[in-house]
This record gives sequence, C-alpha cells and structure tokens, in this order.
Amino acid sequence: DGGITQSPKYLFRKEGQNVTLSCEQNLNHDAMYWYRQDPGQGLRLIYYSQIVNDFQKGDIAEGYSVSREKKESFPLTVTSAQKNPTAFYLCASSQQVNEKLFFGSGTQLSVL
Amino acid sequence: GIQVEQSPPDLILQEGANSTLRCNFSDSVNNLQWFHQNPWGQLINLFYIPSGTKQNGRLSATTVATERYSLLYISSSQTTDSGVYFCAVEGGSYIPTFGRGTSLIVHP
Repeated sequence: DGGITQSPKYLFRKEGQNVTLSCEQNLNHDAMYWYRQDPGQGLRLIYYSQIVNDFQKGDIAEGYSVSREKKESFPLTVTSAQKNPTAFYLCASSQQVNEKLFFGSGTQLSVL
Repeated sequence: GIQVEQSPPDLILQEGANSTLRCNFSDSVNNLQWFHQNPWGQLINLFYIPSGTKQNGRLSATTVATERYSLLYISSSQTTDSGVYFCAVEGGSYIPTFGRGTSLIVHP
C-alpha cells in the first residue's frame, strides 16, 4: 500500500530533551514537507525539501532541524530550543513542487 | 508572502443541506488545493484546481484565478462531511500556504 507513514502517533517530551518525529513515504515523491498545526489554526510550514540532500527553512523553522539523506525519509527533530513544542505535526509529500500534496496521519507532541 | 483567507470560519448544517465555502488569496497563484481534515486529524486531498471547475460526487470546486478566489460546494451534506476544510495555494515560491480553515459540523 503506497502512502506516507508518520510515527509515533503520540510523543511526550521532557524539558530540555530533543525528540525526533519520523516520516517515511513509498510514493517515490521528490518533495517532502513538515507542517505544524495548533488548535483552531491552519498549517504552518516548518521545513521543506525538494530533493535528496537539500532542504529549506519554512516560516517557523526556529527550534527545529531536519535531514534528507534518503528520498523516502524526512525526519524532524524538535530541539530543546523550541519553547512551545506542543502541537500536531504533519508530514506531506508531492511528486514535485506545484503538484498534488498528500499527508501522513500526524504526530501529536506534548510536553511533560 | 501570499495571504489566504477562508470563510466562514465555522458552519453548522443539518444533514441534507447544501453549503459553499470560500477561499480568497492575495496574489496570483500557480496552484490551489482543497483538503478535508477528519476528526482524527487525517488530511485528504479533495481537489487540485488551479483554475476552472471540477466535480467529485457531491463535492465540486471552482477557482477563478483572475479574481483570486475559489469556492468549494458541498451538496446534500452528510455527517461524514464534518471536519475542517482547508484551502492551500502556491504562489511564486511553489510552496503550499494554508488558510485557517472552515470548521463544518453536520447534524443528523
């Protein structure tokens, strides 16, 4: 079954801890994205990658980091520098930029 | 960057009613997409519609790019239509920018 897999579904972070959210796709898409969603809000772009080994900051990149070492994987690390990390995180991909966007099922991150 | 405004922010319907959701954007766009987010958080792509009109069952969408808006029509609404509807546009950067969404509740 083709799609985008995010794990875990729920994640808890302690003060000062870095946590990593996984995003894997088997759609052979070049472009991948990370969005953050806060309650009652739209989606805000954290980072995006148009091709392997390249990524760009989005509107709210501070306190986050990513890597794109493989085409199918785009993990997001929420660092201790992100002071308000509680949110729903969504990973998406498209064949290329400017094409139809597909989403994973999301990860809910909470702070202990 | 490009601004995206969706209206209304909230909508409550009785099953069987029709509705129109609107998406206005501040600049010319290369692409526009409509999504439905179900109560469990999953986003489903409904339409990829940079211009013109498309239909998919009870849903249809129209984008008038020259006037910078798009409309999503839901006919004969069902309880399963409940959720949040998002519009996302791509301008010169080709990166999707989302509106704040329209929250729809359909009562049986």
